[in-house]
Amino acid sequence: QQQVKQSPQSLIVQKGGISIINCAYENTAFDYFPWYQQFPGKGPALLIAIRPDVSEKKEGRFTISFNKSAKQFSLHIMDSQPGDSATYFCAARRDAGGTSYGKLTFGQGTILTVHP
Amino acid sequence: DGGITQSPKYLFRKEGQNVTLSCEQNLNHDAMYWYRQDPGQGLRLIYYSQIVNDFQKGDIAEGYSVSREKKESFPLTVTSAQKNPTAFYLCASRGRAGAFFGQGTRLTVV
Repeated sequence: QQQVKQSPQSLIVQKGGISIINCAYENTAFDYFPWYQQFPGKGPALLIAIRPDVSEKKEGRFTISFNKSAKQFSLHIMDSQPGDSATYFCAARRDAGGTSYGKLTFGQGTILTVHP
Repeated sequence: DGGITQSPKYLFRKEGQNVTLSCEQNLNHDAMYWYRQDPGQGLRLIYYSQIVNDFQKGDIAEGYSVSREKKESFPLTVTSAQKNPTAFYLCASRGRAGAFFGQGTRLTVV
C-alpha cells in the first residue's frame, strides 16, 4: 500500500514539446504529492507539489494534474527545453501529524531528455 | 546561507570498514531523513528522525546506524554488515515548505 508507480522510465521530447510523466499510488492516506528534479551527481530539488483538495497546480511551465478518484497524478512540462533534461521523481507522503513522520515514498524516476 | 550540507562528496571504503557520512542542516528543521539511491531505482528510506535523540528504521536499515544528538546533525554510519554499500546517499530535512535534500555522498567500496 506504500508504493508509488511512475512511468515512463525514460522520455525523449523535442525542444518546445510537452513532457508528461505519470504516477499512481495505492494508499489513500497520502495527502501530499511533490515532484523532484535531479541533475546528475546532485541531490533532488523540490519542483512543485500538490495536495488532494485541488485538481491542478501550475507554476510557470510546470503543471501537476491530480485525479483523486483514479489515485493518479502527473507532471506536465510545457515548452520543454534542453535544460529540463534531468531525472524526475514523483513522491507521496502521509499525514505528517501521525506516526509516519512525514516520510516520502518515491516513484522509480523518469529520465527526461529534451533534444534541441 | 541556509541549507543542508553533506560531506564528503565522494567516499571510498575498504571491505570490513565502517564509514560515517555527515549531514548538517541550518534550516531549523526537526525532521531529518537518509535515503539511498541506486541506478534506475527510486530513493529508498534508510533511517529517519523526528526530533533529537529519537530515530526510526526505514525500509532498508540493515547494515546502517544513525544518531541524532543535535537538531542540526544526523550522521549515518555504514557498517561492515552492509553487504552492498556502493550507492549514492542523500540526506534530507523537512519543514513547512517541504523536504529538501543535500547534494549527496557517493560511497564506493574498493
